Amino acid sequence: DTAVSQTPKYLVTQMGNDKSIKCEQNLGHDTMYWYKQDSKKFLKIMFSYNNKELIINETVPNRFSPKSPDKAHLNLHINSLELGDSAVYFCASSQGPGNTEAFFGQGTRLTVV
Amino acid sequence: DQQVKQNSPSLSVQEGRISILNCDYTNSMFDYFLWYKKYPAEGPTFLISISSIKDKNEDGRFTVFLNKSAKHLSLHIVPSQPGDSAVYFCAASAGGSNYKLTFGKGTLLTVNP
Repeated sequence: DTAVSQTPKYLVTQMGNDKSIKCEQNLGHDTMYWYKQDSKKFLKIMFSYNNKELIINETVPNRFSPKSPDKAHLNLHINSLELGDSAVYFCASSQGPGNTEAFFGQGTRLTVV
Repeated sequence: DQQVKQNSPSLSVQEGRISILNCDYTNSMFDYFLWYKKYPAEGPTFLISISSIKDKNEDGRFTVFLNKSAKHLSLHIVPSQPGDSAVYFCAASAGGSNYKLTFGKGTLLTVNP
């Protein structure tokens, strides 16, 4: 059983479109995250939710909107996609605050053309 | 502003020898450090961690050393195996209620048979 699963694995779309990436964890964790790995390979946090409450928003454009319907799910919706949004997006979860390991999904490679 | 730096983008080692991966950090508030391993087209997987109250943590072939005064940590893999070939990310957390990990850029380790 996959602990953190995200879909789709690959996403190719045109500029201006709206798309969503879904994430689910079956670990019973309280905290979920979205990270972005850009072309320079940096992994940077975008959002963090704890018990469905947004606790971190790292100056991400308003076009990105996370949605957490319950503790096990954290979806990422992106409006009006731009070329610069092309990256690999990783969902992750952890039991609690920073002093615990995070479990990552396999990543979603988003390509905006 | 890179708070976690991995200055070696790549490292090549012979099978059976020691691999040493280095990481430097600038934020003195970091008190928990983790190493993640990443294979292509997969998400990062947790490898080993260390709290700032310790200077060494060992788990099988993997040992992490922390030098707080130098703001430096290293991951030792002994003996190195071809299956260890992957990108290794150093990450740090400020702990407490801080929910995010700050990652380095990663080091590609290649273990040659």
